[in-house]
Amino acid sequence: GAVVSQHPSRVICKSGTSVKIECRSLDFQATTMFWYRQFPKKSLMLMATSNEGSKATYEQGVEKDKFLINHASLTLSTLTVTSAHPEDSSFYICSARAWGQGSDEQYFGPGTRLTVT
Amino acid sequence: DAKTTQPPSMDCAEGRAANLPCNHSTISGNEYVYWYRQIHSQGPQYIIHGLKNNETNEMASLIITEDRKSSTLILPHATLRDTAVYYCIVRSETSGSRLTFGEGTQLTVNP
Repeated sequence: GAVVSQHPSRVICKSGTSVKIECRSLDFQATTMFWYRQFPKKSLMLMATSNEGSKATYEQGVEKDKFLINHASLTLSTLTVTSAHPEDSSFYICSARAWGQGSDEQYFGPGTRLTVT
Repeated sequence: DAKTTQPPSMDCAEGRAANLPCNHSTISGNEYVYWYRQIHSQGPQYIIHGLKNNETNEMASLIITEDRKSSTLILPHATLRDTAVYYCIVRSETSGSRLTFGEGTQLTVNP
């Protein structure tokens, strides 16, 4: 199957700083990528849909000015958590949509563990 | 997208078949049933999907009832590495590939 990578795999930052997480589709082009957040023992929650070359679409309750998403190329989307606070500590997961030739699938990255101290 | 209901947890003996049920009684005609799993601290992994016919691949089989209101994911010979949270998701073709995750079923395969 298609491969999606995330970098970094884990990051610890101080409260008030910003953190950038990268999501790359390694062997396919993805016009659409998704960002999820997962708290301990909880399910994945969709934060936003990222479309290449256009603004991201945020889910209700997700602050677009706090979670900046950039999808500048067909293989890279970034999520920047601005002015991070301890409550932003979570597992952030991206996925990339691969579609065409009769298929439309979503492939997930391995996740990024963010800890804000 | 239709809501799904899964048992919160299940246990299975290693080497035996694991049958994971999912109810999706409000599913619409154009909605597919997808199964993903998530091993602890990893991203979700696609397993299988189907519309109304039963499906089988190298990982699992998907049995969908005739009325499409429920389905069962079958892992024919469960191994310890199959221990994970299994998510049953209903997705329409018009949802733009959005996936809405429920709480899933924690499957524990015991030696």
